Amino acid sequence: QKEVEQNSGPLSVPEGAIASLNCTYSDRGSQSFFWYRQYSGKSPELIMFIYSNGDKEDGRFTAQLNKASQYVSLLIRDSQPSDSATYLCAVNSLNTGGFKTIFGAGTRLFVKA
Amino acid sequence: NAGVTQTPKFQVLKTGQSMTLQCAQDMNHNSMYWYRQDPGMGLRLIYYSASEGTTDKGEVPNGYNVSRLNKREFSLRLESAAPSQTSVYFCASSEAGGGTGGLAFFGQGTRLTVV
Repeated sequence: QKEVEQNSGPLSVPEGAIASLNCTYSDRGSQSFFWYRQYSGKSPELIMFIYSNGDKEDGRFTAQLNKASQYVSLLIRDSQPSDSATYLCAVNSLNTGGFKTIFGAGTRLFVKA
Repeated sequence: NAGVTQTPKFQVLKTGQSMTLQCAQDMNHNSMYWYRQDPGMGLRLIYYSASEGTTDKGEVPNGYNVSRLNKREFSLRLESAAPSQTSVYFCASSEAGGGTGGLAFFGQGTRLTVV
């Protein structure tokens, strides 16, 4: 079982719709959770982070965390064509070598104009 | 404010050649990472260093070695390059984990081709 799992997509939504991206993780002791956006040929850039159960909103983005279900999601409201990218879920947890951050394979999102 | 700087940006190697990818960060972070990214595979952790003087294997360490030279610098070495190591390599750094720790800042990436 991979430590961080995401549906690879592609997820296609029309402009103005809500895009819902999901991620599950295996380490129940994980403490911090991140969503990154990556445009083709570019480095990942941070969108949101969350470390408490519940919802966290920032503009059009909402991150949701459920530690009991080991599930974290990202909602993008009013999706725009410029949101078309790969979204990476990342989880930070403590291991024998110290804290490390593991990424999922990413979900490709296409927003159709 | 440079953040995370990795060199080179592009490299072509012949099978069997060796090379070292350099990474430096100026954010005084404790943790540094090397990832590789292949099409459709997301970011896979090669090695990481939770603090100066320590290194540990990630998901795909075979064929690589690392050195945490000091708190700023973390290098990745390919001793005998193979075509399977053709990939985009990212260096990243973060504060140690816990709470909001683990938030990673990335370098610009190195596109490596092994022929």
